[in-house]
Amino acid sequence: GESVGLHLPTLSVQEGDNSIINCAYSNSASDYFIWYKQESGKGPQFIIDIRSNMDKRQGQRVTVLLNKTVKHLSLQIAATQPGDSAVYFCAEKPGGYQKVTFGTGTKLQVIP
Amino acid sequence: DADVTQTPRNRITKTGKRIMLECSQTKGHDRMYWYRQDPGLGLRLIYYSFDVKDINKGEISDGYSVSRQAQAKFSLSLESAIPNQTALYFCATSDWAGSSADTQYFGPGTRLTVL
Repeated sequence: GESVGLHLPTLSVQEGDNSIINCAYSNSASDYFIWYKQESGKGPQFIIDIRSNMDKRQGQRVTVLLNKTVKHLSLQIAATQPGDSAVYFCAEKPGGYQKVTFGTGTKLQVIP
Repeated sequence: DADVTQTPRNRITKTGKRIMLECSQTKGHDRMYWYRQDPGLGLRLIYYSFDVKDINKGEISDGYSVSRQAQAKFSLSLESAIPNQTALYFCATSDWAGSSADTQYFGPGTRLTVL
């Protein structure tokens, strides 16, 4: 959905556990869904994307799940490490020429 | 990402001053963006440009203007800076090629303080 002036929700996870970060999107016509990671003091960086005709995609230690029925996207991080501490943004790309829209973001805190 | 540079990295200015933040990219991308991020908050789009002749307002364009001098350069100006424009500003680029996620590549950010 649109990024608005709301404080970021925080997810605290024990090191070694799996993390699940959720995102509700707004546009059922979106063609791609993307996850970005923003470490402290840096710009966001691409992690993984998924096309709308898929429901799961795996990367290195990350899995993205897409549920189009309820317009829900999740990012799963396996064996969470301290370096995973960051803000995670979901984004959606409508089909055609339109721009990407970023979601609000979730702050992930890894507890050593 | 070193391919997207922003200058200055930090700037302190006074209320009422006009300032310019600059963004340059060597990625050869057509699309460029300016975002604002306030502490503990998400990204808000100020302006975006899909090519040199295309400029579009984002969700919070009031008080800002932009110039796309070339494919590689996109500048953000604050006409008369005010304290609530104190924030972290990010430039980003992307290269949409038909059917793709239009991945954005962000610069390191400019931390702006308006006194």
